[in-house]
Amino acid sequence: EPEVTQTPSHQVTQMGQEVILRCVPISNHLYFYWYRQILGQKVEFLVSFYNNEISEKSEIFDDRFSVERPDGSNFTLKIRSTKLEDSAMYFCASSINSNQPQHFGDGTRLSIL
Amino acid sequence: QKEVEQDPGPLSVPEGAIVSLNCTYSNSAFQYFMWYRQYSRKGPELLMYTYSSGNKEDGRFTAQVDKSSKYISLFIRDSQPSDSATYLCAMIDYNTDKLIFGTGTRLQVFP
Repeated sequence: EPEVTQTPSHQVTQMGQEVILRCVPISNHLYFYWYRQILGQKVEFLVSFYNNEISEKSEIFDDRFSVERPDGSNFTLKIRSTKLEDSAMYFCASSINSNQPQHFGDGTRLSIL
Repeated sequence: QKEVEQDPGPLSVPEGAIVSLNCTYSNSAFQYFMWYRQYSRKGPELLMYTYSSGNKEDGRFTAQVDKSSKYISLFIRDSQPSDSATYLCAMIDYNTDKLIFGTGTRLQVFP
């Protein structure tokens, strides 16, 4: 069964540095998402992406965050000037259409030191 | 009032029991409902998807939606130790494509 893959599984970065999280969505999906889950808390929406542009973003997704689909298969989340509070699990998801089920990867655990 | 309310548990049941997991919501725009299962250090795994009131069955799982009461449920029959995980309800309103999650209910099924 097709799946969403994310790399790396764990990323450790010094505060203030830039980090890029990578995702390969399911190949025939057209909508792409990033979510965040701080330890012990619920999964929170960050951003949705369709047709090479952001369709929606949350208040968490401030100007330090950006997303890109650099080629036909990858979808990336970049965080500049990282802060301690960015430490969390970051999940990528994709869906074939809006309002359709979203399928998640196993996440990248981001630790900011 | 939170958009989605879910009892965090933990819920501990013996193997073979019927499990009932529930969420309530406040936003009438929520029209699409999902249940995900999340094992420790893994991503949410889709279990059920429905968009109409009523029941939907898939194997040992039954999803129930009552839009008039803004209440959704997931029933697990003949529960197994491998069902031990956190169960997340999630919803989409028809104006957006973002999922709004509940806090998750931690379920433990003991042999």
